[in-house]
Amino acid sequence: GNSVTQMEGPVTLSEEAFLTINCTYTATGYPSLFWYVQYPGEGLQLLLKATKADDKGSNKGFEATYRKETTSFHLEKGSVQVSDSAVYFCALSDPKSSSNTGKLIFGQGTTLQVKP
Amino acid sequence: DTAVSQTPKYLVTQMGNDKSIKCEQNLGHDTMYWYKQDSKKFLKIMFSYNNKELIINETVPNRFSPKSPDKAHLNLHINSLELGDSAVYFCASSQDLGFGQPQHFGDGTRLSIL
Repeated sequence: GNSVTQMEGPVTLSEEAFLTINCTYTATGYPSLFWYVQYPGEGLQLLLKATKADDKGSNKGFEATYRKETTSFHLEKGSVQVSDSAVYFCALSDPKSSSNTGKLIFGQGTTLQVKP
Repeated sequence: DTAVSQTPKYLVTQMGNDKSIKCEQNLGHDTMYWYKQDSKKFLKIMFSYNNKELIINETVPNRFSPKSPDKAHLNLHINSLELGDSAVYFCASSQDLGFGQPQHFGDGTRLSIL
C-alpha cells in the first residue's frame, strides 16, 4: 500500500543552520508529492509540491526534489529562522488510489525547533 | 477573509454527549474533507465529500456522521462521545477530486472529552 515515512523529531537547530528533513515514500503509481507546514495552533499550509520525477518544489527558501530512483522528497533550507519552528508533513497523492477521491497520504510529521 | 473556517475552535465536553463541528469554505471548491489529528500529530483522513456526495469513509465509527448541506459546508456530528475521540479535527477543501490537488486546511477544532 501507499505510505510516507519521515525522520523522527524533534529536530532542534540554531538559527541560520542548514535544515534537512528526510521523507521517503511507497506508492503503486507515480505520485505527486507535497510538503505541508503546521505552525502552533494553526492548520496545515501547503509549503511546496512536485508532480513528477526530478521536479524541484520551492517556497520561502525551502526546497525539495522529487527523486524517483530513491523514492524520496527531502525538505531542505539553507538557513533556518526561529519563525520556521513548526511541524512539517510530507504527503503524497497517488493517481492509482487518489483519482476520484482526492486522498492524500501523510507522513507522521517532524517537529522543528529553531533556537535563537 | 478566512478561506476554510471551523467552529468552534475548542470543544470541551463529557463522555456520552453529542456534539457538532461546523466547517465552511469560501474558495469555491467542490471537495471537502475531515481529518483527525491525534496527540502525536498523526493525521488521518476520515471523510471526503464532492459536491455534497460522500466519496471517502475511512472505517470511521458510525457515531461520526458528516453532513454537507451544500458544497461550501461540511459539518461533523459526533454521537455518544468517547475518551478516544479527544483529538484535533481539521476540515480541508480542494478544487475538485483531480489527482494531485493541494488541500486547504482550517485551523482545527480541539475536542477534549472529560
